[in-house]
Amino acid sequence: DADVTQTPRNRITKTGKRIMLECSQTKGHDRMYWYRQDPGLGLRLIYYSFDVKDINKGEISDGYSVSRQAQAKFSLSLESAIPNQTALYFCATSLGRGEAFFGQGTRLTVV
Amino acid sequence: KNEVEQSPQNLTAQEGEFITINCSYSVGISALHWLQQHPGGGIVSLFMLSSGKKKHGRLIATINIQEKHSSLHITASHPRDSAVYICAVPGGGADGLTFGKGTHLIIQP
Repeated sequence: DADVTQTPRNRITKTGKRIMLECSQTKGHDRMYWYRQDPGLGLRLIYYSFDVKDINKGEISDGYSVSRQAQAKFSLSLESAIPNQTALYFCATSLGRGEAFFGQGTRLTVV
Repeated sequence: KNEVEQSPQNLTAQEGEFITINCSYSVGISALHWLQQHPGGGIVSLFMLSSGKKKHGRLIATINIQEKHSSLHITASHPRDSAVYICAVPGGGADGLTFGKGTHLIIQP
């Protein structure tokens, strides 16, 4: 089993719908991150969390919210999806500022 | 915010060639990451280094902190090395990483 698991792997949704992307990890890491990847732009930070009680906005947090339900779980929500949120989304974890471990990604298409 | 530049953006080479991918950044850092992304999309960490050189198999990563520059080398390249290679550094202002746009490497048999 993967150390960092994202669900779903692929999702097509309609404009205006609420959608949640989930991430769970078995590495026992304290820090968890959500990134999005767009062609030609590279990965950009959406939100990050240092522990269950600590949530921080990243570079592109508008239109997104997150929940750290437990040390091992970090969910990303799009309250009202729009087409320019079509992207590849990655969850990542690290122990402090150590090596980063990534999930397999969620390919989200908003139509 | 740290600016990360990678070169080249695209690289096609023949099997067996020695490959070099470069990364430069604008603000001093504690460590730099090299990542690999295969066509299926998953991202794997190759190296995290703060000084000198690291080697894993045919992959070698070097960093020059004073010059704010790092290189990733692949010796005896193989078609299975075909992937996108991404350089990343700690971001300024927010934690997490700031990424280069990646180098798309194709190794032809």
